[in-house]
Amino acid sequence: EVQLVESGGVVVQPGGSLRLSCAASGFTFDDYTMHWVRQAPGKGLEWVSLISWDGASTYYADSVKGRFTISRDNSKNSLYLQMNSLRTEDTALYYCAKDGSSSSLFDYWGQGTLVTVSS
Amino acid sequence: EIVLTQSPGTLSLSPGERATLSCRASQSVSSSYLAWYQQKPGQAPRLLIYGASSRATGIPDRFSGSGSGTDFTLTISRLEPEDFAVYYCQQYGSPTENTFGQGTKLEIK
Repeated sequence: EVQLVESGGVVVQPGGSLRLSCAASGFTFDDYTMHWVRQAPGKGLEWVSLISWDGASTYYADSVKGRFTISRDNSKNSLYLQMNSLRTEDTALYYCAKDGSSSSLFDYWGQGTLVTVSS
Repeated sequence: EIVLTQSPGTLSLSPGERATLSCRASQSVSSSYLAWYQQKPGQAPRLLIYGASSRATGIPDRFSGSGSGTDFTLTISRLEPEDFAVYYCQQYGSPTENTFGQGTKLEIK
């Protein structure tokens, strides 16, 4: 059974930093591209970032480019999101998602971790 | 960037009725790389349909997708109580072409 478990979400002040983690199990982690997708309270879904199976390629939404860094450790079946220079508009539930087809199709999602940026 | 517009914003129906949800793209979606997700309150989204019309693993056959180009439809043939949720369409296919619609809330009438 595929499982994705996010952690690391907390309340942080504007301008602060945070690192999210996602622990994966139930599939061969290093075969798949992985993503972060976020959802602001009461709002829709917004793709944030992706990383290729080997970590060689990364992409970011314009809204987070230059502030967020995605990474992975295939030896630990883990995905990460380093978030710097946080803004109030980054407040959201952050989901880790598995890419089912190397084309940004999200076939499995975690339950999310909540990041609140507030003074 | 392709913009996806879903309609209606809210759909009020009764169990047993047929639901038709629309997703319109601002440009043609290549190779029908259009997916639908279901999200219930307090839960993560779940993949329902990919490639515009293929059901994901374990999805009941009352869910069907159709369309091509710029116009796509998700149909739920006979609504079950567990189907009342928010539905999102998504165009995918490349790292830089990856957007969601704003969602349609399907509520019990």
